[in-house]
Amino acid sequence: QVQLQQSGPGLVKPSQTLSLTCAISGDSVSTDKAAWNWIRQSPSRGLEWLGRTYYRSTWHNDYAISVRSRIIIGPDTSNNQFSLHLNSVTPDDTAIYYCVRDYDQVFDYWGQGALVTVSS
Amino acid sequence: DIVMTQSPDSLAVSLGERATINCKSSQSVLYSSNNRNYLAWYQQRPGQPPKLLISWASTRHSGVPDRFSGSGSGTDFSLTIDSLQAADVAVYYCQQYYTTPFTFGPGTKVDIK
Repeated sequence: QVQLQQSGPGLVKPSQTLSLTCAISGDSVSTDKAAWNWIRQSPSRGLEWLGRTYYRSTWHNDYAISVRSRIIIGPDTSNNQFSLHLNSVTPDDTAIYYCVRDYDQVFDYWGQGALVTVSS
Repeated sequence: DIVMTQSPDSLAVSLGERATINCKSSQSVLYSSNNRNYLAWYQQRPGQPPKLLISWASTRHSGVPDRFSGSGSGTDFSLTIDSLQAADVAVYYCQQYYTTPFTFGPGTKVDIK
């Protein structure tokens, strides 16, 4: 059974960097059969896919164009986890952030979600 | 980006009756080389993350009751809940994984009448 445990601050000031971590149990971040995603949800944007990291002989990333200039998603193989860094945040980045596994591109396991508020 | 739309926005159904939710994609999500539709359905109860119900337009995920079924192909899809139960009160989303960025529909809220 795969479990994803999210951690990170719930409040970030405007212009700063939002950083979240997702610890994986029951699978490996280095598997060549899955990818590791970040998805957020807000009343204004609905469910919005932000990007993913995955290993297929080497590490790859895909990012949504809307955040491509501000986002980094990366693996931490030593701790079997992956992270999200979103810089230059504004109040529009306030949302519930989910880490999600995709297997064969289907989102089958989700973290519990973390509300991140951008406010001074 | 592929835009996903859903109808209706919300519906109320009596316990034991059928609920049908429609989903439309702005372009086909049918991959011709393998004849598979890259379309999934999720259920989200209040305070919880979305839960995968159906992938490949019609394949129920492990543990999903058989009263949930998916159909459709190309750009038009449906999720049907037969014999609605109280536990089915939730928001339902369709999502395409044909191409990045993966995109979701706006959701359909299902309530008990």
